[in-house]
Amino acid sequence: DAKTTQPPSMDCAEGRAANLPCNHSTISGNEYVYWYRQIHSQGPQYIIHGLKNNETNEMASLIITEDRKSSTLILPHATLRDTAVYYCIVKGAGANNLFFGTGTRLTVIP
Amino acid sequence: DGGITQSPKYLFRKEGQNVTLSCEQNLNHDAMYWYRQDPGQGLRLIYYSQIVNDFQKGDIAEGYSVSREKKESFPLTVTSAQKNPTAFYLCASSIDYGEAFFGQGTRLTVV
Repeated sequence: DAKTTQPPSMDCAEGRAANLPCNHSTISGNEYVYWYRQIHSQGPQYIIHGLKNNETNEMASLIITEDRKSSTLILPHATLRDTAVYYCIVKGAGANNLFFGTGTRLTVIP
Repeated sequence: DGGITQSPKYLFRKEGQNVTLSCEQNLNHDAMYWYRQDPGQGLRLIYYSQIVNDFQKGDIAEGYSVSREKKESFPLTVTSAQKNPTAFYLCASSIDYGEAFFGQGTRLTVV
């Protein structure tokens, strides 16, 4: 199963875009890239997912490189409530590869 | 409302006792998962189940057991064989290519 590499922590100024990178160089053709975030002591919350095209929803944008070996989650206007741990995951069919890792701790600074 | 419910939110256990954590979902999801989270750490997979009456071990299954008798329910038992059970436990469910939905977690403390 493909695993991911993320920086352990990042800071972002409030109101600015937060760009969170993820490396998934061993991703296979049928695996999607998912992003979740976890606010302290709560269950993780789904943000967005994609296969190879860029995706956007009301929360964020997901940019996936053409070779699919890396991706970037973009929070266009970060707020203090976006402070959380962000997890990048690759997942294909079946239930055996929902592997979370340690994620990136994003701190939004006033 | 549809969702995934874990209970209880806080649980205390004496050393040497077994304890069962509940996880119920009404999302009609086939797959369900149990994770353990220690302070400042990521989520580690304990067990997962793709369909009723079938489940597989994750990365840290030792000292834990599960059952999947109904699609909606995936209880986790922390046995006395688990040497360091104090942790935050999270349950999730998903469909194959959809997002996973998480419960709000159970915080287990051994006293």
